Amino acid sequence: DTAVSQTPKYLVTQMGNDKSIKCEQNLGHDTMYWYKQDSKKFLKIMFSYNNKELIINETVPNRFSPKSPDKAHLNLHINSLELGDSAVYFCASKWSGGSYEQYFGPGTRLTVT
Amino acid sequence: GIQVEQSPPDLILQEGANSTLRCNFSDSVNNLQWFHQNPWGQLINLFYIPSGTKQNGRLSATTVATERYSLLYISSSQTTDSGVYFCAGVSGTYKYIFGTGTRLKVLA
Repeated sequence: DTAVSQTPKYLVTQMGNDKSIKCEQNLGHDTMYWYKQDSKKFLKIMFSYNNKELIINETVPNRFSPKSPDKAHLNLHINSLELGDSAVYFCASKWSGGSYEQYFGPGTRLTVT
Repeated sequence: GIQVEQSPPDLILQEGANSTLRCNFSDSVNNLQWFHQNPWGQLINLFYIPSGTKQNGRLSATTVATERYSLLYISSSQTTDSGVYFCAGVSGTYKYIFGTGTRLKVLA
């Protein structure tokens, strides 16, 4: 009965490769997010979708492309991976119709070698 | 600008001690939430507290929105309380701004 899940949990890959991370939530929320947590633990918003529409697109290299096939799913595809992309990527979700309480997935630790 | 600031940045406590963590937020930020990131990296919701006071066991939180701050109280700390505590606020409707966190270590 996991609320927000992410796959994979760990991802080790070489520079220049393309990889995807998937997120699913079963909370009935309509807004989903991608965050990046760097080595200093700083959490920064990257993208957000509301009802499959991109509503937040922070200053992120265009090698990162999010996609939301439906309200319950949000994917992140990264092209031409670089060493600086190594981080933990968190997915989160919330309901836009009331409380601003946000729920996080377990994170995906991406290591680029 | 849009800011969420936390203090102290680091805290070391002996088991059983009490502590207070502070979060200051700018005018354009509201709807505060507190999280605990445990040593395994999980982000756990502690409180959604746009204003007022809430308590959950040994933890409680107070937000005074008019004065732009929130406090998280940890009483009788345990080693399992170790980790990083984040506060986050909302700017506009959808954008969350996180503080830089308070790293807490509780010693047995």
